[in-house]
Amino acid sequence: DIQMTQSPSSLSASVGDRVTITCRASQDISNYLVWIQQKSGKAPKSLIYAASSLQSGVPSRFSGSGSGTDFTLTISGLQPEDFATYYCQQYISYPYTFGQGTKLEIK
Amino acid sequence: EVQLTESGGGLVQPGGSLRLSCAASGFSFNSFGMSWVRQAPGKGLEWVSSLSESGGNTYYADSVKGRFTISRDNSQNTLYLQMNSLRAEDTAVYYCARRFWSGYFDYWGQGSLVTVSS
Repeated sequence: DIQMTQSPSSLSASVGDRVTITCRASQDISNYLVWIQQKSGKAPKSLIYAASSLQSGVPSRFSGSGSGTDFTLTISGLQPEDFATYYCQQYISYPYTFGQGTKLEIK
Repeated sequence: EVQLTESGGGLVQPGGSLRLSCAASGFSFNSFGMSWVRQAPGKGLEWVSSLSESGGNTYYADSVKGRFTISRDNSQNTLYLQMNSLRAEDTAVYYCARRFWSGYFDYWGQGSLVTVSS
């Protein structure tokens, strides 16, 4: 199975800040990576697929990069509604696997 | 508008069975693979199972293989998850998700809580 490791596990930031979350795969997954946002008590929402393509309707302050084993999610200009938990997930092969999550909290 | 609505969750005793349903609307259901993903209380996301557009190809996590069965009824636009021999560690919110052609989950349902407890 492909292991996905995110860092940090938690992060405190202020409105307007720029934050970066990283995700590392245990083997080459090309660009078969999606970033998922989950607000407390709500369903997950896919933000960025194919490592860097923005899902329809997602604000442009979200961006993703990377290929192979190392990936990043960047949020430029944090908004109050961005405080949530973020997961990366590989979908190159079954079993699909998720990172452990990064909880983004208000400082 | 794409909508996925899960139902069928509830409290069940260890060793019992439950069937989850996911009603789909707003898209051509028989053109998309579908999946189930779960989240135990306070934990992260865990992929459970997927199946192809026709239902002919199915995939399972090792943790549920042999106990859970995924299926679909394309005439009813509905996805199912039959869960047998349930264990306490199966307690979770179960989400259905639409699998885009390239493989990622582009839409998610709101979830259905399954609690396995005596």
